[in-house]
Amino acid sequence: SQTIHQWPATLVQPVGSPLSLECTVEGTSNPNLYWYRQAAGRGLQLLFYSIGIGQISSEVPQNLSASRPQDRQFILSSKKLLLSDSGFYLCAWSGGTADTQYFGPGTRLTVL
Amino acid sequence: AQKVTQAQTEISVVEKEDVTLDCVYETRDTTYYLFWYKQPPSGELVFLIRRNSFDEQNEISGRYSWNFQKSTSSFNFTITASQVVDSAVYFCALSNNTDKLIFGTGTRLQVFP
Repeated sequence: SQTIHQWPATLVQPVGSPLSLECTVEGTSNPNLYWYRQAAGRGLQLLFYSIGIGQISSEVPQNLSASRPQDRQFILSSKKLLLSDSGFYLCAWSGGTADTQYFGPGTRLTVL
Repeated sequence: AQKVTQAQTEISVVEKEDVTLDCVYETRDTTYYLFWYKQPPSGELVFLIRRNSFDEQNEISGRYSWNFQKSTSSFNFTITASQVVDSAVYFCALSNNTDKLIFGTGTRLQVFP
C-alpha cells in the first residue's frame, strides 16, 4: 500500500531564515505530488504541484519554491521566511490528474 | 470560476444525533469531481469520498451518507448516530478535471457525549 511521509512534523523558525520541508511517497511510482498550505482556521490553498521529476507548477506567487529531485520526493523551500509563511503545510499525492489526492501528516511551521 | 461554499462554520451536536454538513459548489464545467475529507485534531486530511459529475447516485458507507444534487449544485454529507470520534473539521472540495483541488473553508463538527 502507499504511504506518504513528511518531516519535520513541527518547526519553529525565525524570520529571514531558510526553510526546507520534505515529502516522500512509498508504494507507487510516478505520482503527481502537491504542496498545500493551511493558515490557521482556514481552508487549504494549493501552492505547487508536479506531474514528474523536475516539473513544477506554481499556483501562488510568493517567496516559496518547490523541487522534485526524485520521482517520489517533493521539497518545499524558502530562502528567507516571512511571518506570513506560518501555517500547516500538507503534501499530497495522486495517481494522476483529477484522481483522488491522499495527504501526508503535515508540518506545522511557526515563524517568529 | 470554481468555488466551494461551506456555510456552516461550526456545528455542535450530542452523541447519537444525526447531522448534515452542507456543501454548495460552482463550476461551468460539465466534467468535475467532488470530494469530502475529514481533518481530525491530528491535522492529517483523511479522504472520505470522491464523486464524478455524471454519477448522481447517493452513497452510503456505514453511518456516512452523501447526497449529490446537480440541480442545486450541492453535495451534502450526513452522519447518522454521530459519535465523539466524528469530531473533526470536514472539508468539501471540487476538481474540474485538473490537478487543482478547490477546497471549501471547512465545517468544524463537535460531538459531545
